[in-house]
Amino acid sequence: SYELTQAPSVSVSAGQTASITCSGDKLGNKYASWYQQKPGQSPALVIYQDTKRPSGIPERFSGSNSGNTATLTISGTQAMDEADYYCQAWDSNTHVVFGGGTKLTVL
Amino acid sequence: EEQLVESGGGLVQPGGSLRLSCAASGFTFSSYWMHWVRQAPGKGLVWVSRINIEGTPKYADSVKGRFTISRDNAKNTLYLQMNSLRVEDTAVYYCAREKGPIVHFDYWGQGILVTVSS
Repeated sequence: SYELTQAPSVSVSAGQTASITCSGDKLGNKYASWYQQKPGQSPALVIYQDTKRPSGIPERFSGSNSGNTATLTISGTQAMDEADYYCQAWDSNTHVVFGGGTKLTVL
Repeated sequence: EEQLVESGGGLVQPGGSLRLSCAASGFTFSSYWMHWVRQAPGKGLVWVSRINIEGTPKYADSVKGRFTISRDNAKNTLYLQMNSLRVEDTAVYYCAREKGPIVHFDYWGQGILVTVSS
């Protein structure tokens, strides 16, 4: 079955750039989406189709996907961005797959 | 405003059954593929099942043969019938709307807790 791998945690200083990666076999040949989940809340879509931002998502959120790795980049990270982030892709066999999640800590 | 509201969760013994509902509003429910995603306490998101607009289901291997997804477009409601429940099915269950053509989820319910324990 298809798997997506994320680092359990990432730390970033406020105002700096955070990069959260998601790895999977030939992930660049698929499309990646990213979700933000704050404690006690439902997940919220922040990036879809590798690079697109839903309306209402700040421009500091961006995405890329190439080779085996998709990356969520948060520029000028703010305290409010502290959350768990999950990548997601679609695979013809596994159907929908999520990464294990990355806890972003803003220092 | 698009909204998804889950109900039907609770405490059930191993081997028992439960039916979750997800009431949709603010959009044309019948036009969207819908999914269930779960999250065990302190763990990550795991896809459970989906149903397309024709009513064709698909399941994760972990629930295949035990869970049944269905929809009632007249009632704008998604269901998940869960039978032969196991302790490892304990989780918050979310319904989510699929936004195509590339599969991703643009709206999520608030989640409902299912606890399987003796």
